[in-house]
Amino acid sequence: DGGITQSPKYLFRKEGQNVTLSCEQNLNHDAMYWYRQDPGQGLRLIYYSQIVNDFQKGDIAEGYSVSREKKESFPLTVTSAQKNPTAFYLCASSPFVSGSRNEQFFGPGTRLTVL
Amino acid sequence: GQQLNQSPQSMFIQEGEDVSMNCTSSSIFNTWLWYKQDPGEGPVLLIALYKAGELTSNGRLTAQFGITRKDSFLNISASIPSDVGIYFCAGLSLNTNAGKSTFGDGTTLTVKP
Repeated sequence: DGGITQSPKYLFRKEGQNVTLSCEQNLNHDAMYWYRQDPGQGLRLIYYSQIVNDFQKGDIAEGYSVSREKKESFPLTVTSAQKNPTAFYLCASSPFVSGSRNEQFFGPGTRLTVL
Repeated sequence: GQQLNQSPQSMFIQEGEDVSMNCTSSSIFNTWLWYKQDPGEGPVLLIALYKAGELTSNGRLTAQFGITRKDSFLNISASIPSDVGIYFCAGLSLNTNAGKSTFGDGTTLTVKP
């Protein structure tokens, strides 16, 4: 089955701790993305990556870090510098770097709660 | 940057009614996408539109790519309770770095049985 997996589904952490959210895809997609979603709100882009070993900041990158060591994997670390980390985090991937047929496909999300 | 205005923000309808929502932008897009997000899940792609004027259906859902390339519409006919969720539009431009999508803020649909 091809798709995007995010783990875990629910994550609880104490304030001040770093936490890493996993995102894996077996769709052979080049680009991957991380979004944050707060209750009743839309999707805000945190980071994205076009290719292995390269990534770019999105609109709300402060307090987050990423790596892209493998094409299939794009983990997101929520650091203690992120002032309000409790949110629903969505990972997505898309097949091509350029071109109009570049639909993003989403994982099931991870709900992070910082206590 | 590019922005999408999605409306309405929320809708409360009776089962069996038809639904219409739309997205508009000041920028031109080459692709329009419509997603549905169930509570606690990731968005699922419903319909993709690639040409101005294109009209595409997926079951009871019909979406159109506006002639000006600055808007798109989604219609749901004969709504049922499982249509409940958040519907997002997204636009893609050939000029957008890494093929990033620009997302609307979503339309939250509530269907009363």
